[in-house]
Amino acid sequence: DADVTQTPRNRITKTGKRIMLECSQTKGHDRMYWYRQDPGLGLRLIYYSFDVKDINKGEISDGYSVSRQAQAKFSLSLESAIPNQTALYFCATSDSQGNGELFFGEGSRLTVL
Amino acid sequence: GENVEQHPSTLSVQEGDSAVIKCTYSDSASNYFPWYKQELGKRPQLIIDIRSNVGEKKDQRIAVTLNKTAKHFSLHITETQPEDSAVYFCAASIRVGTSYDKVIFGPGTSLSVIP
Repeated sequence: DADVTQTPRNRITKTGKRIMLECSQTKGHDRMYWYRQDPGLGLRLIYYSFDVKDINKGEISDGYSVSRQAQAKFSLSLESAIPNQTALYFCATSDSQGNGELFFGEGSRLTVL
Repeated sequence: GENVEQHPSTLSVQEGDSAVIKCTYSDSASNYFPWYKQELGKRPQLIIDIRSNVGEKKDQRIAVTLNKTAKHFSLHITETQPEDSAVYFCAASIRVGTSYDKVIFGPGTSLSVIP
């Protein structure tokens, strides 16, 4: 089945370390997103990309950067991780010609000590 | 930018009763309102959506209503079952032509259905 795959699924790191979360998809969708989930705060948009040459900041982009290496790959980087970036991170995709539905990956749980 | 509020944050109902979750949005240009369900430990999945050209949409036990004037929309679940227990997120987006803009989510409602 076409899917959205995130790696790593779990990561524990220390303050100041550089971390990269990777997302790949086999759905053939042109749009990709990174969301962060915290209890009581819902899913907050970090960055999104509507095609390979398009990168846009979301609601909470400070402290994060992204790279759209190909239509199927969208990675999220934390250049210098801090404890309040401890969260569950979701990658999602959508088809610009579809019905608007987002398809999420399984999530990457990041803990910054 | 768009802001979506959602209430209540937690909701407990007896099996068989109805559950209602309410959301408000700030951007009057928003015209697409999806609802996602996230079961414990799982990824969010779309369960129903509504567009601004309709006021209500039903799918079996689930219904959504939209009041564009008041910028309110709601999810109604009837005859709740234990498998309805999950976190529900409302969201808002803007459809331009055949494409949709970014989706902004509310903070979520944790629904517990008590057998």
